[in-house]
Amino acid sequence: AQTVTQSQPEMSVQEAETVTLSCTYDTSESNYYLFWYKQPPSRQMILVIRQEAYKQQNATENRFSVNFQKAAKSFSLKISDSQLGDTAMYFCAFMKQSRGPSNNLFFGTGTRLTVIP
Amino acid sequence: KAGVTQTPRYLIKTRGQQVTLSCSPISGHRSVSWYQQTPGQGLQFLFEYFSETQRNKGNFPGRFSGRQFSNSRSEMNVSTLELGDSALYLCASSLGTAENTEAFFGQGTRLTVV
Repeated sequence: AQTVTQSQPEMSVQEAETVTLSCTYDTSESNYYLFWYKQPPSRQMILVIRQEAYKQQNATENRFSVNFQKAAKSFSLKISDSQLGDTAMYFCAFMKQSRGPSNNLFFGTGTRLTVIP
Repeated sequence: KAGVTQTPRYLIKTRGQQVTLSCSPISGHRSVSWYQQTPGQGLQFLFEYFSETQRNKGNFPGRFSGRQFSNSRSEMNVSTLELGDSALYLCASSLGTAENTEAFFGQGTRLTVV
């Protein structure tokens, strides 16, 4: 079974500063994907960034980057130059890749991020 | 390009009733997954449909069922509603291929059971 753990229920950051959200996971799978999703008050889940487990290079999307440590099963999200629009719940998610594709995501419990003006 | 559309957005039902939720995926997407989101249990996978076939199923009782039509639209049904079924139900669609794993979510249906 797969488990995803987010140990920070809430975090806050000053506007324009940098914040890092933590995520660890447990799996016996060797091929998988990791994601960070954002859920603003509108409830719409929005993909922030994706990492393929077989890639050693950390994924980057504009102000968002990850620190993927496969051996430690750690997948943290760094948000640089935080903006008020970044205020949301952030979910770390895991998807295994075995015997073909699947759209079955295992989510962590989320971190509520507040960006302070 | 239209996003994932879920209807209705809000629903209030009485214990014991049944409910049907609908999800229209992004055009061209063949995979539709359903998730339940509650404050206590977080986000939990219900099931996934691909080309009208259930491809994966989460750990939910048989009261929760779903189906997918030939146009990829999906419905989920919950029978004999319980108070604990109150939740936000999210639908996600994707191309469903190994090369493209990005899931796009709808805004959800907020179900309240009273």
